[in-house]
Amino acid sequence: AQTVTQSQPEMSVQEAETVTLSCTYDTSESDYYLFWYKQPPSRQMILVIRQEAYKQQNATENRFSVNFQKAAKSFSLKISDSQLGDAAMYFCAYRSDYNNDMRFGAGTRLTVKP
Amino acid sequence: ETGVTQTPRHLVMGMTNKKSLKCEQHLGHNAMYWYKQSAKKPLELMFVYSLEERVENNSVPSRFSPECPNSSHLFLHLHTLQPEDSALYLCASSQRGGGDEQFFGPGTRLTVL
Repeated sequence: AQTVTQSQPEMSVQEAETVTLSCTYDTSESDYYLFWYKQPPSRQMILVIRQEAYKQQNATENRFSVNFQKAAKSFSLKISDSQLGDAAMYFCAYRSDYNNDMRFGAGTRLTVKP
Repeated sequence: ETGVTQTPRHLVMGMTNKKSLKCEQHLGHNAMYWYKQSAKKPLELMFVYSLEERVENNSVPSRFSPECPNSSHLFLHLHTLQPEDSALYLCASSQRGGGDEQFFGPGTRLTVL
């Protein structure tokens, strides 16, 4: 079964600085999707960014970008110019292209210091 | 508001009670999901419904019983729960397809006494 590992339970960053959140996963499948979701305190989980495994180009969404290393099964999230509103739990997730299985990591709590 | 609503937002129940959680999506999606979120643990996918048909059940105890009467509504019926079932229960919806974004509801915070 696929597993997703986030090795950093907590991270902190100074406002306006850059931070990278780590994620690794284990799978024997070749086609899949990877996601980063954000869950602010007491608010709904929302999608930050998505990566298709068949695409070599790293996905970017404004200040958010990923470093997708398929061979290494690594999928890190970089947040540039961090803002106070970026403070949240961040979850890395894997979804198989063969079934409906969706696996999440345990999450990384990001604190942004003013 | 992301278009997925859940009621109630908070629920306290005894181990002998029967209650139901409700989820409704207003996004025209055709797949719906139940997740369990416990402290310091990864989200656990409990049930998946696609086109109103259950397609996945990740070995969830029978004290949890899902129901999907149509593509917009999803229920989770609870009976004889245990204290370790206390958690945040999240509902999500998406279009079918592996890469489609899942939209999450705010969750129901369940406490089992």
